[in-house]
Amino acid sequence: DIVLTQSPLSLAVTPGESASISCMSSQSLLHSTGNHYLDWYLQRPGQSPQLLIYLVSNRASGVPDRFSGSGSGTDFTLTISRVEAEDVGVYYCMQALQTPPYTFGQGTKLEIK
Amino acid sequence: EVHLVESGGGLVQPGGSLRLSCAASGFTFSRYWMQWVRQTPRKGLVWVARVNTDGTYIHYVDSVKGRFTISRDNAKSTLYLQMNSLRPDDTAIYYCVRDSYMDSKFYGWDVWGQGTTVTVSS
Repeated sequence: DIVLTQSPLSLAVTPGESASISCMSSQSLLHSTGNHYLDWYLQRPGQSPQLLIYLVSNRASGVPDRFSGSGSGTDFTLTISRVEAEDVGVYYCMQALQTPPYTFGQGTKLEIK
Repeated sequence: EVHLVESGGGLVQPGGSLRLSCAASGFTFSRYWMQWVRQTPRKGLVWVARVNTDGTYIHYVDSVKGRFTISRDNAKSTLYLQMNSLRPDDTAIYYCVRDSYMDSKFYGWDVWGQGTTVTVSS
């Protein structure tokens, strides 16, 4: 199974500053189509997870452009520019390349200073 | 508006059974692959099972194989998860998830239900 390792596991950010979360995969997530099958999800407190980014860098519908994804191969990054209070929650990366099983990172908890 | 609403969770003794349901609305259910995912504080998010559009292509995480059965009724726009021989480590919040995979293209898991809690305890 592919293992995803996120870092940091928690971070506190001042509103208006940027934040970056890393997701490292135990294997390349490059699909034969040329896409990398790596998504990002946000779980706000008390809510279900929601899709933020799919295929590394594509924002889901309604996701602000403050959220961006990058990376290739085994190393991926979610960047949140100009962090706002509503960005608080736990961020998860997920791989959908070698399935089953789909696998998630451990999650990164974002708090506001 | 697109919605997934799970039901059927509850408290069950070890060895018991539960059937989770997920009612879909606001979209053409039969066009989408569907997933079940569970979450616990210790293990985080864990994929459980998936089913393709017509129910003919099904997979499970190893820990539930032989005990859980995923199915769907496209006429009723409903996804199911039959859980037998339940164990304490099956205790979790169970989410029904829409998989946007379509026409050999993947766009993420774009709709999640609110979750239903399963507790396996004596």
